[in-house]
Amino acid sequence: AQSVTQLDSHVSVSEGTPVLLRCNYSSSYSPSLFWYVQHPNKGLQLLLKYTSAATLVKGINGFEAEFKKSETSFHLTKPSAHMSDAAEYFCVVSEDTNAGKSTFGDGTTLTVKP
Amino acid sequence: EAQVTQNPRYLITVTGKKLTVTCSQNMNHEYMSWYRQDPGLGLRQIYYSMNVEVTDKGDVPEGYKVSRKEKRNFPLILESPSPNQTSLYFCASSLSTHRRLNTGELFFGEGSRLTVL
Repeated sequence: AQSVTQLDSHVSVSEGTPVLLRCNYSSSYSPSLFWYVQHPNKGLQLLLKYTSAATLVKGINGFEAEFKKSETSFHLTKPSAHMSDAAEYFCVVSEDTNAGKSTFGDGTTLTVKP
Repeated sequence: EAQVTQNPRYLITVTGKKLTVTCSQNMNHEYMSWYRQDPGLGLRQIYYSMNVEVTDKGDVPEGYKVSRKEKRNFPLILESPSPNQTSLYFCASSLSTHRRLNTGELFFGEGSRLTVL
């Protein structure tokens, strides 16, 4: 069985300050982990993915995430927030099986203040 | 352009009136899936399909049907919609490898917002 917990339902930062969105996971398999972003009235878009290669993963728009097996975490970070980063973010774990069921966290809404 | 297309984007209907939400992808993906998104609940999987004529239930399949007659299309059917099916629905397809039909790297449509009165 697998699960994902996003530790904050809402995060608010000021423009230009760092962003940290926290995600913990559990998985019976070696997991693949993803972060997706959803802007208002849009579908989800892949930000970055971890698939058992480098533990520090770089994504689009300056986002990064670090896979920490000992802490079962996959936190999303960005050094400097931009107004356009305001969106909902989902952490996702995917089983290492052929069907690869994807389990979504409940989401974190990021607000960026001017 | 690689994309997943859903229609309709918005629909208001009444209880019991059958409806179909269409989904089409142009990336030749084997794996396709339907999700519903409700506030505070993330995305929950309704049905998925590993290939033509191969479908299986996700976490919340009650009240829904699907079919996969062609590789590119995966319609979602609500035979008798009820108000608890009011939700935002997403279709997605997955990048595949030789080992996994669903790598977890999902391509999403823009969503279909359904209201059942």
